[in-house]
Amino acid sequence: KAGVTQTPRYLIKTRGQQVTLSCSPISGHRSVSWYQQTPGQGLQFLFEYFSETQRNKGNFPGRFSGRQFSNSRSEMNVSTLELGDSALYLCASSLADRGSGYTFGSGTRLTVV
Amino acid sequence: SQELEQSPQSLIVQEGKNLTINCTSSKTLYGLYWYKQKYGEGLIFLMMLQKGGEEKSHEKITAKLDEKKQQSSLHITASQPSHAGIYLCGADITGANSKLTFGKGITLSVRP
Repeated sequence: KAGVTQTPRYLIKTRGQQVTLSCSPISGHRSVSWYQQTPGQGLQFLFEYFSETQRNKGNFPGRFSGRQFSNSRSEMNVSTLELGDSALYLCASSLADRGSGYTFGSGTRLTVV
Repeated sequence: SQELEQSPQSLIVQEGKNLTINCTSSKTLYGLYWYKQKYGEGLIFLMMLQKGGEEKSHEKITAKLDEKKQQSSLHITASQPSHAGIYLCGADITGANSKLTFGKGITLSVRP
């Protein structure tokens, strides 16, 4: 079956702009979580959506937001981009049952200039 | 301080050698996951451990979970260049089953 699909793979944006990233989970998976990976901070949890509801949120400013659609696809949005937002953004999908595991996508590499 | 500490930070081994890397949590583990990552790419799932004393193997990689020590080890037997990459441990330390906390990762290089 198809894996987790993230689009686009690469993105270059200018400071102050906004960006939307997309994640399509594995068919049947209702949980989608987002992570930011940077060399300095490593992998950090952004938020998790389950059945269109945000269940958990990490310690990121309000410029970072997300949503999930009825087909479980998720988008995350970053407004007023800063240079420090340059990172690899990864999403993971899960059945959300204990022990079901998390499958990650290939990520979106965002560069803010 | 980090909730998940991985050690060593990096490792260089000769092809054919065995190696062990560790992941230690400062909090209760509700599930421990090992992933491998090539730089700039997504995470490849290796193993998931849930119960104390659990041990799983896949090809030449074995992972164990020591519940008392809140620690997991990943052992690679007869390392190959294909084993090179970044090894990340992630854990559910909240019991909420909705997020993983990750260690900083261990960079493994295998010299032919």
